Amino acid sequence: AQSVTQLGSHVSVSEGALVLLRCNYSSSVPPYLFWYVQYPNQGLQLLLKYTSAATLVKGINGFEAEFKKSETSFHLTKPSAHMSDAAEYFCAVSGASGNTPLVFGKGTRLSVIA
Amino acid sequence: DTGVSQDPRHKITKRGQNVTFRCDPISEHNRLYWYRQTLGQGPEFLTYFQNEAQLEKSRLLSDRFSAERPKGSFSTLEIQRTEQGDSAMYLCASSPQRAGNTIYFGEGSWLTVV
Repeated sequence: AQSVTQLGSHVSVSEGALVLLRCNYSSSVPPYLFWYVQYPNQGLQLLLKYTSAATLVKGINGFEAEFKKSETSFHLTKPSAHMSDAAEYFCAVSGASGNTPLVFGKGTRLSVIA
Repeated sequence: DTGVSQDPRHKITKRGQNVTFRCDPISEHNRLYWYRQTLGQGPEFLTYFQNEAQLEKSRLLSDRFSAERPKGSFSTLEIQRTEQGDSAMYLCASSPQRAGNTIYFGEGSWLTVV
């Protein structure tokens, strides 16, 4: 079984500051890991994914995440926050077999202060 | 627009009524997923199809819920005898079958049971 824990339901940063959103996973099989972003009243958009290639994954809008097996983590970072980054962010995990659906964390709401 | 399409986007219904949501996936995707999302929570898996076969159902999918994908293309999710606890956003998503492929989400269908 797979699960993810997102630490912090709400993170607030100043515009231009580092964004760090934390995600820890639990998986009994090699995992595939994903970060999605959701803007109000919209569906989810993929930011980036880890599928056992490079451990440092670059995504859209300047976001990146690093897979650390020893820490069972897949934290999302962005060097400099922009006002348009304000949204809900979800970490998700699936088994590498491809036969298990995505399991999502509860999400972290990112606020960006001018 | 070749993304995942959901209809209706918003539905208000009285308790006890039946509702049906439709999802049209990306045309070349043979996997189709339904998730439910309530305010402040991450998406929760309900069920998924590979072509017309329903491969997995969550325990969240009570017997009042039924999903079909009769020709392996569009899918419907029906909720019978709606309850106030069914109020949520119902998200449809699709993907190719291969492991690690991105799951693409629709904009969601909001259900309010009054």
